[in-house]
Amino acid sequence: EADIYQTPRYLVIGTGKKITLECSQTMGHDKMYWYQQDPGMELHLIHYSYGVNSTEKGDLSSESTVSRIRTEHFPLTLESARPSHTSQYLCASRTTGGGDGYTFGSGTRLTVV
Amino acid sequence: ILNVEQSPQSLHVQEGDSTNFTCSFPSSNFYALHWYRWETAKSPEALFVMTLNGDEKKKGRISATLNTKEGYSYLYIKGSQPEDSATYLCAFNFYNQGGKLIFGQGTELSVKP
Repeated sequence: EADIYQTPRYLVIGTGKKITLECSQTMGHDKMYWYQQDPGMELHLIHYSYGVNSTEKGDLSSESTVSRIRTEHFPLTLESARPSHTSQYLCASRTTGGGDGYTFGSGTRLTVV
Repeated sequence: ILNVEQSPQSLHVQEGDSTNFTCSFPSSNFYALHWYRWETAKSPEALFVMTLNGDEKKKGRISATLNTKEGYSYLYIKGSQPEDSATYLCAFNFYNQGGKLIFGQGTELSVKP
C-alpha cells in the first residue's frame, strides 16, 4: 500500500491555467522531493525539502514552485501551464539517514494542450 | 556533468531465463547506490540500497553487486518470471548532497511466458 499519495494521477489542461499537483505522505518523513520525467528520459530532481519551511530548487531548472507548510504535504504549483510542462511528475520522501531508499508516489502525468 | 548510465536500454527474455543489467556511475565522492523496480502505472519500488564496495544484496531471485572503485553495479534476476517485467532504475548519491539522487534512464525488461 502506498504511504505517499499523489493527485491527480492524470491531468489534461489548457495553456495558461494554474495547476497544483498534490503530494502527501503519512510516514513522518522529513525529506521530500519532486522529480520530473520527460518521455524516454531520466528522472530529474526539480525541487526538494528538508523539513517544514525548507524548499530548494533541484538540478533541473523548473518554472514550478513548491511549499512545505506541513511535514506531510509538499504541493507543486505551476502558475501558468504551457505545453513544455507536459511531463510526468513524481513525488518521493525519505527519512534522514534512511537506508531503505526513497518511497515514491504513483506520479502525475500532466498534459498541457 | 554527473550521469548514470544503464545498459541495456531494453531486454526481452523468455520465462525462466536469467538476466543481468549494468549501472555505471561516477566513483568519486560516492555515498550510496540504489536500485528500483518500476512497474507500469505503479510507484517505483526500492529494491536495494548499497554503500560499501563489494556489497552483495539479495531479495528472492534478484541480487545486486557493487564496485565503488570502478563505478559500476550489476543487477541479476535468476529464472525470470512474467511478473518481473518492469523498468529497473539505478540511482546514486554523493556525500553532503542531502540525499539527492541522480537516476539513469532505466532498463526495460519484458519477460514472455
